[in-house]
Amino acid sequence: GNSVTQMEGPVTLSEEAFLTINCTYTATGYPSLFWYVQYPGEGLQLLLKATKADDKGSNKGFEATYRKETTSFHLEKGSVQVSDSAVYFCALSAHTDKLIFGTGTRLQVFP
Amino acid sequence: DTGVSQDPRHKITKRGQNVTFRCDPISEHNRLYWYRQTLGQGPEFLTYFQNEAQLEKSRLLSDRFSAERPKGSFSTLEIQRTEQGDSAMYLCASSPPPKLARETQYFGPGTRLLVL
Repeated sequence: GNSVTQMEGPVTLSEEAFLTINCTYTATGYPSLFWYVQYPGEGLQLLLKATKADDKGSNKGFEATYRKETTSFHLEKGSVQVSDSAVYFCALSAHTDKLIFGTGTRLQVFP
Repeated sequence: DTGVSQDPRHKITKRGQNVTFRCDPISEHNRLYWYRQTLGQGPEFLTYFQNEAQLEKSRLLSDRFSAERPKGSFSTLEIQRTEQGDSAMYLCASSPPPKLARETQYFGPGTRLLVL
């Protein structure tokens, strides 16, 4: 069946460091791919999405490219801030519109 | 745009009791989803509605769970004879009618259930 695998956390970085959170997926057909973020005490928010191969989603300095050949959708940011500390979820939607999530990766950024 | 709202935000109940949660989607969103999230895990799909029709139910949704969306507006999720394993965050999301690509789902703050 369809699934999403994310790197385990926590990821601990200093402010202004480069961030990569790996995400790979298994799906039939051509899924849409998403990154959601959950800040402490808040609900899930869409961070970015990509709907077809080679699309790049971007928002708030974060980027992810839909790589069909490697079935990946890695999240990157060039310079993280303390305010980026949160849990990040990779997700896909395939034949139906339900979202299938990874287990989440906690990011902790220290000044 | 007031966002997706859920009520209550927290619920503590004793094993064997029934509980009901409410979700109010963003107005004009015709799709409404329920997910369950346990500690340290990503949300898991439970069920979804398009207008008032329940189109898909997960195998996670046992006979003790029932969801409704009368008139295609708000939705309720009821759990009968709660068990300790039902303790989780219950998330609701809504999305507008799909166009060419799958639309973004907007999530509410969730209802945290604790079954003692």
